[in-house]
Amino acid sequence: KQEVTQIPAALSVPEGENLVLNCSFTDSAIYNLQWFRQDPGKGLTSLLLIQSSQREQTSGRLNASLDKSSGRSTLYIAASQPGDSATYLCAVRQTNAGKSTFGDGTTLTVKP
Amino acid sequence: EAQVTQNPRYLITVTGKKLTVTCSQNMNHEYMSWYRQDPGLGLRQIYYSMNVEVTDKGDVPEGYKVSRKEKRNFPLILESPSPNQTSLYFCASSLGETPNEKLFFGSGTQLSVL
Repeated sequence: KQEVTQIPAALSVPEGENLVLNCSFTDSAIYNLQWFRQDPGKGLTSLLLIQSSQREQTSGRLNASLDKSSGRSTLYIAASQPGDSATYLCAVRQTNAGKSTFGDGTTLTVKP
Repeated sequence: EAQVTQNPRYLITVTGKKLTVTCSQNMNHEYMSWYRQDPGLGLRQIYYSMNVEVTDKGDVPEGYKVSRKEKRNFPLILESPSPNQTSLYFCASSLGETPNEKLFFGSGTQLSVL
């Protein structure tokens, strides 16, 4: 059974700092890995998706990497802003494209 | 606007009273899925559907039913709700053909079973 772990569970940084969120998974037979943002009481917003054949994806200040062999993905946020404060979740979709497993998330606080 | 629509947004009910949470998408997506989110347990998959009339269990299907009679709709049915089904529920969809398809989520349904 796929297990997804996100470390740290919470992170607090001053505005302007670069930071890295980590996601690890146990079964490397994945279809894709997706990073989401969730604001309190809200739904999930997709940030980046990495296909199993890709190594990284970039969108603005965000960069996500994938190392299938080691079962790891990272989300790099450059020049963090208070508006980046949210919970970030990673989700792994299995090779048969049906089942998906989420990590518990990292709650990020960016202080002005 | 492309979206996944869930209704209701909030629901309070009593044990044993059947209820349905609706989910509809307007993106012609083949894949749809239901999740529940609980503090300390994260998001867990309940059921998913790869296409019309094709459904399969996720990790926590007990106490839930789904149906996929039309491509756009994927209702979640609780035949006899119990307090342990109090949770925040999310529906999601994606195109379903290639690994490059993002999951789109609805805004969630907060269910309380008394």
